[in-house]
Amino acid sequence: EAQVTQNPRYLITVTGKKLTVTCSQNMNHEYMSWYRQDPGLGLRQIYYSMNVEVTDKGDVPEGYKVSRKEKRNFPLILESPSPNQTSLYFCASSWMGTDTQYFGPGTRLTVL
Amino acid sequence: KNEVEQSPQNLTAQEGEFITINCSYSVGISALHWLQQHPGGGIVSLFMLSSGKKKHGRLIATINIQEKHSSLHITASHPRDSAVYICAVEIVGSNYKLTFGKGTLLTVNP
Repeated sequence: EAQVTQNPRYLITVTGKKLTVTCSQNMNHEYMSWYRQDPGLGLRQIYYSMNVEVTDKGDVPEGYKVSRKEKRNFPLILESPSPNQTSLYFCASSWMGTDTQYFGPGTRLTVL
Repeated sequence: KNEVEQSPQNLTAQEGEFITINCSYSVGISALHWLQQHPGGGIVSLFMLSSGKKKHGRLIATINIQEKHSSLHITASHPRDSAVYICAVEIVGSNYKLTFGKGTLLTVNP
């Protein structure tokens, strides 16, 4: 089954404790992206990647890192999480940027 | 001012009604996406448009590039259509970066 998976689905952590949210797709898509969704602000793009080793900043990249060492994986790294990074995070992938996006199920992160 | 504006923010309809959700944008775009998000659920891509009109079942999406406007129509609405509908655009020259509207919450009552 074609899908985008994210782990963990739920995470409660404390300020400053490094964490990684994984994202994996099995569709051989070139384009992958991370979004955060906050009440009243909607979805905002954090980082995206057009291919292996090619990444670029979205609208809200501060406090986040990404890497794209393999085509199928695009982890989101929070080196020193802060409470303002409490949010619902979605990973997505597509063949190309201008194409139907397939979204993961979301990761609800709470930073205390 | 947001680059992508959706209207209405909230919409309540009776089952069977024809629904229209609007999306206006202020920049040049290479494509526009319509997404659906059920309460507590994930996000599903409904349409990707760069011109004209697309139809899938009871859903129709149109775009007018000159007027910088897109509409999502739902015919014969059903309670299972209740969801947030989100418009997103790829701005020309942005290297596929997506900019989103804040969404329209649709509630269809039986």
